[in-house]
Amino acid sequence: DAGVTQSPTHLIKTRGQQVTLRCSPKSGHDTVSWYQQALGQGPQFIFQYYEEEERQRGNFPDRFSGHQFPNYSSELNVNALLLGDSALYLCASSSGRGNQPQHFGDGTRLSIL
Amino acid sequence: AQSVTQLDSQVPVFEEAPVELRCNYSSSVSVYLFWYVQYPNQGLQLLLKYLSGSTLVKGINGFEAEFNKSQTSFHLRKPSVHISDTAEYFCAVSDLQAGTALIFGKGTTLSVSS
Repeated sequence: DAGVTQSPTHLIKTRGQQVTLRCSPKSGHDTVSWYQQALGQGPQFIFQYYEEEERQRGNFPDRFSGHQFPNYSSELNVNALLLGDSALYLCASSSGRGNQPQHFGDGTRLSIL
Repeated sequence: AQSVTQLDSQVPVFEEAPVELRCNYSSSVSVYLFWYVQYPNQGLQLLLKYLSGSTLVKGINGFEAEFNKSQTSFHLRKPSVHISDTAEYFCAVSDLQAGTALIFGKGTTLSVSS
């Protein structure tokens, strides 16, 4: 039973560029959440997708956008990259029922030069 | 807004000693509480969760946590640690009035030495 998978594992971009990160949820999960983890910090919630719609959003600018596909996989897009966007981006999946814990992937390490 | 405070940024202990990692959250009517562990260059692994019921929750790898509503705390404990427990530990809360997003603390680095 595959867990949450994310791609790519590492990515290097320059300021002003755009990036797309991908996530496949754990089998049986229909909800995908994205988190940003800066070095030495706890993860911060970006947004959550359920039934192909953004259900909840954290305190992140509109440069951060996402999408969920019919097979429940998801993409995170970041436009106009800033140096401060360098971080580990974590995807978590869960069942739509509210009391189910989120399962995390190993993340994508994004470095902005 | 909900917030989580992990009171110790680093906790050094010797192997086979007991350990407690402290976590406090801001008050809320309905919360779910979690502890996650993160090993270097990996994602987060769920250690244990409190959803309802018994305030003492047992998790994987011998860890347990106690939910204290009056003190808004959810401290993590292990009676005897191993070298392999060295990792970053995160406390997280889900405020059910706001949704299912997790709010994390800044983490506690547990360093176990022989």
